Amino acid sequence: EVQLVQSGAEVKKPGESLRISCKGSGYSFTSYWISWVRQMPGKGLEWMGRIDPSDSYTNYSPSFQGHVTISADKSISTAYLQWSSLKASDTAMYYCARQAIAARPSWFDPWGQGTLVTVSS
Amino acid sequence: QSALTQPASVSGSPGQSITISCTGTSSDVGGYNYVSWYQQHPGKAPKLMIYDVSNRPSGVSNRFSGSKSGNTASLTISGLQAEDEADYYCSSYTSSSTLEVFGGGTKLTVL
Repeated sequence: EVQLVQSGAEVKKPGESLRISCKGSGYSFTSYWISWVRQMPGKGLEWMGRIDPSDSYTNYSPSFQGHVTISADKSISTAYLQWSSLKASDTAMYYCARQAIAARPSWFDPWGQGTLVTVSS
Repeated sequence: QSALTQPASVSGSPGQSITISCTGTSSDVGGYNYVSWYQQHPGKAPKLMIYDVSNRPSGVSNRFSGSKSGNTASLTISGLQAEDEADYYCSSYTSSSTLEVFGGGTKLTVL
């Protein structure tokens, strides 16, 4: 079974750093992009960026470029989303999702269960 | 403001059909057949329902169908059931630097 399993909920203070993870299983991890998607409380989905785990090539949405860092460790089939200095506005649910690496755009399937990040003083 | 425009809410009675629209531009929905739809129940992760405008993944009910005309894509759910009550999001590839865009989401209520 293809699965993406994310790390658990986090509660942090403004200014703190954080890294959350997404572990893939049941498929060739280096054959698919891993995308990260934000969902703020009561709001819709926003694409943040993605990584090709085979070579760590990344794409970022301009809205998130410079605010987060996406990385991956293909040896353990895990992708990461990282903040160096959290803000209260980073409070959200974060999902990872798989996309095929191909000569054409692809859909998001499957999705991880989500990681809730709460930033509060 | 989301890049793709969806109605905030739609409703229907069990057994009826409903359609959710997703309007973009020639840079995304209108320019490519790379529209997908996702169902999200409260407190759950999104689930792929339709990809490439009108294709259904294995395991998704044939009551769900997708189409596109010009800059507007549509998701139709026929024979509404109580378990269809959820939020639905469209997504598209875009030629802008954003690469991927979502609609604002539509809350489906089964009366």
